[in-house]
Amino acid sequence: GEDVEQSLFLSVREGDSSVINCTYTDSSSTYLYWYKQEPGAGLQLLTYIFSNMDMKQDQRLTVLLNKKDKHLSLRIADTQTGDSAIYFCAESNQAGTALIFGKGTTLSVSS
Amino acid sequence: SQTIHQWPATLVQPVGSPLSLECTVEGTSNPNLYWYRQAAGRGLQLLFYSVGIGQISSEVPQNLSASRPQDRQFILSSKKLLLSDSGFYLCAWDRGGGNRGGELFFGEGSRLTVL
Repeated sequence: GEDVEQSLFLSVREGDSSVINCTYTDSSSTYLYWYKQEPGAGLQLLTYIFSNMDMKQDQRLTVLLNKKDKHLSLRIADTQTGDSAIYFCAESNQAGTALIFGKGTTLSVSS
Repeated sequence: SQTIHQWPATLVQPVGSPLSLECTVEGTSNPNLYWYRQAAGRGLQLLFYSVGIGQISSEVPQNLSASRPQDRQFILSSKKLLLSDSGFYLCAWDRGGGNRGGELFFGEGSRLTVL
């Protein structure tokens, strides 16, 4: 079945870059996603990348996709304390009917 | 604009008691609807999804059930709660009809504690 793996914690200092990594199993997923969850709230889509792209940049966010290794990363430049949250990587299930999420990476930003 | 509402936001229930969590979506029609559970250390687990009224697919065996009595209403239920049912339950929707642009819209969640 589908599986998405992420490291659980990342701690950075304000102003540094953060890189959150993810590996996935289903190579047929058309899109791969990054969601952000702030404390006590639901998830919100942060960004996504189409599977035939290698990179997508959106302001401070850069998504890199290595299809050969099934590896996805999210880089946040100039990380701010407001970026502290849980970040989830997700792919579509094989039936294309739902998203499968990783366990989430808790990003802690210290000033 | 579309909105999604979940309630109650917080619930404390004894073991063996019933459960009903409700979710409604406004501003769209024929959405796909989902229930996810977020338990400590276990990430986000898909429980149920629905592509239409009365159509429910279950992803994991458990003592929970889901129903979709109306197009934009999704209910998560249990007849007898277990301690292991504690967690943060998230309802979500996306545009149906095979249009998987990728964005799931989540509710604010319902935190269930079973004692």
